[in-house]
Amino acid sequence: DTGVSQNPRHKITKRGQNVTFRCDPISEHNRLYWYRQTLGQGPEFLTYFQNEAQLEKSRLLSDRFSAERPKGSFSTLEIQRTEQGDSAMYLCASRPTGLQRKTDTQYFGPGTRLTVL
Amino acid sequence: AQSVAQPEDQVNVAEGNPLTVKCTYSVSGNPYLFWYVQYPNRGLQFLLKYITGDNLVKGSYGFEAEFNKSQTSFHLKKPSALVSDSALYFCAVDNTGNQFYFGTGTSLTVIP
Repeated sequence: DTGVSQNPRHKITKRGQNVTFRCDPISEHNRLYWYRQTLGQGPEFLTYFQNEAQLEKSRLLSDRFSAERPKGSFSTLEIQRTEQGDSAMYLCASRPTGLQRKTDTQYFGPGTRLTVL
Repeated sequence: AQSVAQPEDQVNVAEGNPLTVKCTYSVSGNPYLFWYVQYPNRGLQFLLKYITGDNLVKGSYGFEAEFNKSQTSFHLKKPSALVSDSALYFCAVDNTGNQFYFGTGTSLTVIP
């Protein structure tokens, strides 16, 4: 399968613990996005990368959140000192970039569902 | 600022009947509009997009959408609904290439 993959698919943790999620984009896609989706809502943008450079961060991304894409391939999203309000589905998407970058489709992974107890 | 509205949380339609899922948008500049579908505990699957050209866009699984600039709408349609179309549908807008703005989603139920 050459789609976007995310691991783990589910994560249950206790409040205050740190968690890390991984996203592997489609191999030829330079752009990688992270979104958060809570129940009954659409996905909300968190951050995106162009290759290894993190170009934009939403104000939703508090200091407890950090994302990396060290070699411009896979990305990790870490949440430190988790809170119950962090419980959500975390979605990763990738997108090809070319001359028509604005028109390119984002392709989503299956998501990581985080439950903070 | 960019935003998307999906005015209906829930749409019910009988199998075989036409379906419409509504979306209106607000964006500065030219809008690039997308529809995605989400099945339970799954990521979003791309259905179709409008970039420019013909206002009627055809996509996957028999879905189509009509772009209406004067009404700032991009409604999703299908001539004959299937039970397997039951899912959560999201409209999204992007005019910068940097991020999508999603609506809150519409839950479609197709009744056998």
